[in-house]
Amino acid sequence: DTGVSQDPRHKITKRGQNVTFRCDPISEHNRLYWYRQTLGQGPEFLTYFQNEAQLEKSRLLSDRFSAERPKGSFSTLEIQRTEQGDSAMYLCASSFRRDTEAFFGQGTRLTVV
Amino acid sequence: EDKVVQSPLSLVVHEGDTVTLNCSYEVTNFRSLLWYKQEKKAPTFLFMLTSSGIEKKSGRLSSILDKKELSSILNITATQTGDSAIYLCAVEAGGSARQLTFGSGTQLTVLP
Repeated sequence: DTGVSQDPRHKITKRGQNVTFRCDPISEHNRLYWYRQTLGQGPEFLTYFQNEAQLEKSRLLSDRFSAERPKGSFSTLEIQRTEQGDSAMYLCASSFRRDTEAFFGQGTRLTVV
Repeated sequence: EDKVVQSPLSLVVHEGDTVTLNCSYEVTNFRSLLWYKQEKKAPTFLFMLTSSGIEKKSGRLSSILDKKELSSILNITATQTGDSAIYLCAVEAGGSARQLTFGSGTQLTVLP
């Protein structure tokens, strides 16, 4: 499968724990996005990388959230001290150029109990 | 703040019907409008519409962008049960990130 890959697919964690998600974009794509989607809503932008540089972060991305893309390939999204409001689907997307469509991964569904 | 509104929120039809989904937007420095289909998991890309490509068609699906009215429609003809999904409209606005602002989606259910 040469699409966007995310791991894990599901994560259940206790409130207060830290979690980390991984995204492997399509190999030649240098633009990588993280989105969050809650039930009944469309995805909301969290952050954007061009190669290894994190160029933009949404105000939705509190200090408990951090994202990295160390070598311009895969990316990780970490949530520290999880809260029940963090429960959502976390989607990763990648694209090749500014004028091309973004392709989404299957998402990681986080449940904080 | 950029805003995308989709209507209706949900729609139930029978196989063979034709449906029209609506998307309106208010964004700064519009770049493109995209339609995605979301079943249980990842949104899958359908169409991208820009100033240079305001109408797209693929099989039974077609979409038109009206830049004057700041809106788009997605048409599906001869619907099938496999068309049942959430259809998401997203707008890409100016800025270095070119991130997408999504609407809440239209839940389409096609009954046999």
